[in-house]
Amino acid sequence: GESVGLHLPTLSVQEGDNSIINCAYSNSASDYFIWYKQESGKGPQFIIDIRSNMDKRQGQRVTVLLNKTVKHLSLQIAATQPGDSAVYFCAELAARGYQKVTFGTGTKLQVIP
Amino acid sequence: KAGVTQTPRYLIKTRGQQVTLSCSPISGHRSVSWYQQTPGQGLQFLFEYFSETQRNKGNFPGRFSGRQFSNSRSEMNVSTLELGDSALYLCASSSGTSGINEQYFGPGTRLTVT
Repeated sequence: GESVGLHLPTLSVQEGDNSIINCAYSNSASDYFIWYKQESGKGPQFIIDIRSNMDKRQGQRVTVLLNKTVKHLSLQIAATQPGDSAVYFCAELAARGYQKVTFGTGTKLQVIP
Repeated sequence: KAGVTQTPRYLIKTRGQQVTLSCSPISGHRSVSWYQQTPGQGLQFLFEYFSETQRNKGNFPGRFSGRQFSNSRSEMNVSTLELGDSALYLCASSSGTSGINEQYFGPGTRLTVT
């Protein structure tokens, strides 16, 4: 069945370094992937998305890479800041046009000042 | 523009009781989705409502139900509460029109079942 999972539950990064958060998915039919950031006591916040017909998309300090061959998704955060400390979720949209989103279990990013 | 609001923020109930949670989407958004978040299972999709109709449903028992009103506000109800229903319940709104729409999440309702 469908599953979206993360390789590492916790990632510690020095402030100023780049962070890479990885995600594996199993549904090859998914055509849309999203990264969310969830800070303590808040709901998930959209960071960046990518469609399956792309392999890279860049935002402000963030880049998402999609490798459909190995069903792997990654989020790269440049010059990581203390404010980036949060739990990051990857998610896939399972049904085109609808909002049924399957989330991974999350990776906690800890930024060391 | 005001964000997604959820009430109440915290709730404590006992087993066997029922509970109703409320979600007010961003103005103009017609789609509301509900999610359950627990440390063990992560974020799991419950259901999505669009224009007062349930458009999509996750794999939760019938004790979990919802509805949406004409002003797009949505409620979620859980009957015969179980200890395992303790979780953070999140709702998310989007425009819901064709294609893929960005979802905006509320802060959640923390439900504790004792």
